[in-house]
Amino acid sequence: DAKTTQPPSMDCAEGRAANLPCNHSTISGNEYVYWYRQIHSQGPQYIIHGLKNNETNEMASLIITEDRKSSTLILPHATLRDTAVYYCIASNSGYALNFGKGTSLLVTP
Amino acid sequence: DTGVSQDPRHKITKRGQNVTFRCDPISEHNRLYWYRQTLGQGPEFLTYFQNEAQLEKSRLLSDRFSAERPKGSFSTLEIQRTEQGDSAMYLCASSARDVTVYEQYFGPGTRLTVT
Repeated sequence: DAKTTQPPSMDCAEGRAANLPCNHSTISGNEYVYWYRQIHSQGPQYIIHGLKNNETNEMASLIITEDRKSSTLILPHATLRDTAVYYCIASNSGYALNFGKGTSLLVTP
Repeated sequence: DTGVSQDPRHKITKRGQNVTFRCDPISEHNRLYWYRQTLGQGPEFLTYFQNEAQLEKSRLLSDRFSAERPKGSFSTLEIQRTEQGDSAMYLCASSARDVTVYEQYFGPGTRLTVT
């Protein structure tokens, strides 16, 4: 699986969009980009995944650059409950996920 | 749908003892995964079952670790002769039968402390 690089921490004001970047410059053509988050003391929660096209669901949007070397997870209107560690994972298997250290997002009032 | 459940939630054991954890996946999910998470790190993949077959094991799964899923439903993870380095959160996840579904549902984890 390709290595991913994320900033260790970010802040966001409540109600504003949170844009979480991820670099995966060595991603191969058959590797998907997955995003999970982990709220303190809970198991990880799936957010979204994509291959080439931008994706949107009820939780978030995923923007993947045309060269697929980076992506951004967008939480359109962050709430205090979105405070969590966000993990960006590149994988072609969909099962053997290795999460890395992720980005700790703090949403402030 | 009650989600993935794990038992126990916490386990304290002395070095050298054996421990066993149980995971009950979401019913009808045929895939089950075990992960380990140490403090400050993200989860690391340990092993994966499709039905009762163990299809992949990480090199993190030393010979002191064994996982089973005897009837393709619940799974157990046993650690023999525990070491202090085994202290971690052990997470279980499951996913649906459909090969195009990649979403893994995680349980709350079992926190193991080896003294």
